[in-house]
Amino acid sequence: AQSVTQLGSHVSVSEGALVLLRCNYSSSVPPYLFWYVQYPNQGLQLLLKYTTGATLVKGINGFEAEFKKSETSFHLTKPSAHMSDAAEYFCAGGLSGNTPLVFGKGTRLSVIA
Amino acid sequence: EAGVAQSPRYKIIEKRQSVAFWCNPISGHATLYWYQQILGQGPKLLIQFQNNGVVDDSQLPKDRFSAERLKGVDSTLKIQPAKLEDSAVYLCASRIGTAQETQYFGPGTRLLVL
Repeated sequence: AQSVTQLGSHVSVSEGALVLLRCNYSSSVPPYLFWYVQYPNQGLQLLLKYTTGATLVKGINGFEAEFKKSETSFHLTKPSAHMSDAAEYFCAGGLSGNTPLVFGKGTRLSVIA
Repeated sequence: EAGVAQSPRYKIIEKRQSVAFWCNPISGHATLYWYQQILGQGPKLLIQFQNNGVVDDSQLPKDRFSAERLKGVDSTLKIQPAKLEDSAVYLCASRIGTAQETQYFGPGTRLLVL
């Protein structure tokens, strides 16, 4: 069965510092991978996704993620954190376009002024 | 383009009462999902519809949860009777149903069972 693991339930960075949120997946075939962001009392908003093709994926708000099959990872990065980036981030995966997503437990990002 | 709509946004009930949530997906989206998100965890799939048919309800606690999408558009999720452990955010998501893989999420309904 597929699983998604997010390392670190809480990450704290200073404003302007690099953001790195870690995600590893477990599956026997290359999955579809997503990063979603959830602000308080709101639904999930898609940041970026990997399906096929280029392994470096750029998303909204300056975020990007790289699919590394050899490491079964899909870490999310942003060069410079902004206060507005403070939120809960979820990594999710699916084996095909029609299968339900399996979510990680989430990582709460705090940005310190 | 309007997003996924859900109502109510918040609901407080006592255990053993019943409750219903409503979801209206993005127009034209054939696939609809209901997820349960318990505090501190990621969303977990409850049920997936393709048009008005159920594709996957393997994780739906069928003794107390039910869901329907009669006309293949909007959907309702019901809990009867509710338990304390049902306190969670219930998220509805929709997907166009072709090769476009992105699921679009509604704002969720936050349920508190006392």
